[in-house]
Amino acid sequence: AQSVTQLGSHVSVSEGALVLLRCNYSSSVPPYLFWYVQYPNQGLQLLLKYTSAATLVKGINGFEAEFKKSETSFHLTKPSAHMSDAAEYFCAVSVAGNQFYFGTGTSLTVIP
Amino acid sequence: DTGVSQNPRHKITKRGQNVTFRCDPISEHNRLYWYRQTLGQGPEFLTYFQNEAQLEKSRLLSDRFSAERPKGSFSTLEIQRTEQGDSAMYLCASRDTGGGSGYTFGSGTRLTVV
Repeated sequence: AQSVTQLGSHVSVSEGALVLLRCNYSSSVPPYLFWYVQYPNQGLQLLLKYTSAATLVKGINGFEAEFKKSETSFHLTKPSAHMSDAAEYFCAVSVAGNQFYFGTGTSLTVIP
Repeated sequence: DTGVSQNPRHKITKRGQNVTFRCDPISEHNRLYWYRQTLGQGPEFLTYFQNEAQLEKSRLLSDRFSAERPKGSFSTLEIQRTEQGDSAMYLCASRDTGGGSGYTFGSGTRLTVV
């Protein structure tokens, strides 16, 4: 079975500070991993995805994530937070590309 | 606009009534998914279609729920005899065949059962 765990349901950072959102996955086979962002009353927008190519994945809006098999992690980072980054972030895992399993989300607050 | 379109955006209904939601996927995508998201949770898988065939259904999809995708284009999700516990955001997503393809989500339909 596949699952993801997002550590920290709420993260607050100052504007300009490093953003680190944690995601650990469980999968018996090599997974596909994704990060999505959701703004209030909106659907989810794909930030980036890992599909067994490069372990460091760059996405939109300056975000990146590193796949670490030994740690079963896929943490999301951004060097400098912007006010517009305030949103809910979801990590998801998929095997064989069918249904996705989402984490419970991390709400990011950016403090001016 | 080539995104995923969902209608209506909001639906308020009385308990016991039937509701139907529509999803128009990206036209080139042959896979269509329905998810449900409750407050403070991530999306939970309900069902998916490849073209017109419904290939998988979650145990969350009780017999009051039915989904269709006639002709492999748009899809509808119907909830019969709605209950207060059905209140949630219902998200539709589509994607290409191919394991590494991410979903493109619609903006969702927020259902409130009163």
